[in-house]
Amino acid sequence: SQELEQSPQSLIVQEGKNLTINCTSSKTLYGLYWYKQKYGEGLIFLMMLQKGGEEKSHEKITAKLDEKKQQSSLHITASQPSHAGIYLCGASILGGGADGLTFGKGTHLIIQP
Amino acid sequence: DTGVSQDPRHKITKRGQNVTFRCDPISEHNRLYWYRQTLGQGPEFLTYFQNEAQLEKSRLLSDRFSAERPKGSFSTLEIQRTEQGDSAMYLCASSFGLPGRDYGYTFGSGTRLTVV
Repeated sequence: SQELEQSPQSLIVQEGKNLTINCTSSKTLYGLYWYKQKYGEGLIFLMMLQKGGEEKSHEKITAKLDEKKQQSSLHITASQPSHAGIYLCGASILGGGADGLTFGKGTHLIIQP
Repeated sequence: DTGVSQDPRHKITKRGQNVTFRCDPISEHNRLYWYRQTLGQGPEFLTYFQNEAQLEKSRLLSDRFSAERPKGSFSTLEIQRTEQGDSAMYLCASSFGLPGRDYGYTFGSGTRLTVV
């Protein structure tokens, strides 16, 4: 089965600093999703990447997909307290969404003022 | 449309009781998914519907778990004879998908189950 490993597991960053979270797959990535979760709440969709080399940005968050490395990275520029939470990457198991998503364990991000 | 709705938000039940959770997806979405999330883990895929057809159920955790989507709209997840190990957040997601492609998943806020 496909496994996703996220690194780091947790991250404490001073407000205003940049940070990067990585997600590495054990198998070919057909689609890679990034979600944010506040403790005890549902998942908030951030971005979906479907092509190798694809890069998407939303506000201060940029995600890239390196298909050859079976890896995606999420980069936050000039972090703010609102960025705090758990970041989860999810991958389409079979492609086309036919079989749900496999998720990593998440990266806990804390922003220090 | 306000997104994916799940009811209840919290459920406390005694071991051995049956529980049922409801999910109302985004109306235009033809696919509906159930996930379970335990503390410190990412969501774990359980089952999936396309319209009213349950196309994947091999990942349901045991035969105590069952899901329905009778009219292709809302769905229910039932857990019979609950055990303490069933305590978790149960998440529902919906998406619009075509063969070989999906257009992103929207998750609900989840139902937190505590079995005492």
